[in-house]
Order: sequence, then C-alpha cells, then structure tokens
Amino acid sequence: KAGVTQTPRYLIKTRGQQVTLSCSPISGHRSVSWYQQTPGQGLQFLFEYFSETQRNKGNFPGRFSGRQFSNSRSEMNVSTLELGDSALYLCASSLFASGTKGAYEQYFGPGTRLTVT
Amino acid sequence: GQNIDQPTEMTATEGAIVQINCTYQTSGFNGLFWYQQHAGEAPTFLSYNVLDGLEEKGRFSSFLSRSKGYSYLLLKELQMKDSASYLCAVRMSKGGYQKVTFGTGTKLQVIP
Repeated sequence: KAGVTQTPRYLIKTRGQQVTLSCSPISGHRSVSWYQQTPGQGLQFLFEYFSETQRNKGNFPGRFSGRQFSNSRSEMNVSTLELGDSALYLCASSLFASGTKGAYEQYFGPGTRLTVT
Repeated sequence: GQNIDQPTEMTATEGAIVQINCTYQTSGFNGLFWYQQHAGEAPTFLSYNVLDGLEEKGRFSSFLSRSKGYSYLLLKELQMKDSASYLCAVRMSKGGYQKVTFGTGTKLQVIP
C-alpha cells in the first residue's frame, strides 16, 4: 500500500505570494491533518479534514486554509506569504476521525519544505 | 494554551532501558500520542493512549495517567537506530474543536 505523498517536496516563494501544497493520503484513509514544523516552534497543528469538512483547527491566522476533495486528497493554501512561513509542512492521514483508538494512528508524508524569501 | 513538557535531551546506553516523560495540562484532554522522528525525516507514529494504563508494543511501551496529566514512553533493549527525537502530543477539545499540540521533543542519543 502506497504511503502518504506530498507535492511539491521543495518550494521557494517570495513574500506576498501565495502557495498551494498537495497531500494524497493512504488509500482508504479519510482523515487528513496538516502540520507546520520549524526549528524554533517545533511541530504545530494547522487543521484536520474529514469527509471534505474541516473538523479541527489550530491557532493559525486565516491566511492558512485548506480543503479536502471527495477522494480524500487535500490541499493547503497559504496566502500573502511572510518570511516566518518558511517551514516544513507535513501532512498526515488516518483511517477516520472518530473515538475509536485505531482511527488516530497517523501516518506522515515526507513533507513540503517551503522557503519564503 | 496547552503546555506540554518533556526533557530536551537524554542519553542512554545500547541494550539499556530508557523512560521519556511527558506532562501536560489536563483540561480538555482527549488522547496522547508518541511519535519518533529521525533527523531530516517525517515523524513516525508509535502509540496513542486515551485510557489510563500501560500499552505495550514490542520494545516500546507507553503509559498514561489522566488524573496526573502524565505519560511516559519506555524503550527497552535500546538499539543505535533508536537515536531520534521523541515527540509527545496531546489531543484536546477546546471551543468545539479538537486540536493536537506537540511538545518540543526529547532528543535521545543511544551510545555504545
């Protein structure tokens, strides 16, 4: 079974631009979560999607948004990029977002490294 | 916010046992994860605890005490490849949403 894939793997943008990152979950997984990882702040939760709906979210400004498609693939968008948005963006998929223990086993993709200049 | 505390660094000897502790604020608690992350790689899921007690999975075990806001990850028969960062993360409910907050990670170095 193929793992979580993320595209692109590397990206360089300038301040003020916008960027869209893509994540394809493991086949059969319906929940997709996005995280930002930086050396200073560590791993921070952005949001979680399930059945094309944002179910959970972290404490990021509205410039960060996402969506999920009917095939569970997800995209994340960052508008008006700032230097501080330079980070590794990780996507993780899990079977489904319910109270069942096994549902929360998350599998991470390799990440997209975004550099804002 | 949700404060998650875990030691920054630990060193242990190959073949030994090491325990990595994690404490968190209990308000809104809805589950605790442990992840392993090797340098330059994505995190790998190790365990998820939602009820009190010990969960064992091979050489790795995770313990949770919800009333104390405390968890630990126990690694037995340490191998050199266990050198990595270990991340504690808490799933919590707040304002109708659930969010996952990560600790800053414990960098474990296994020495011969």
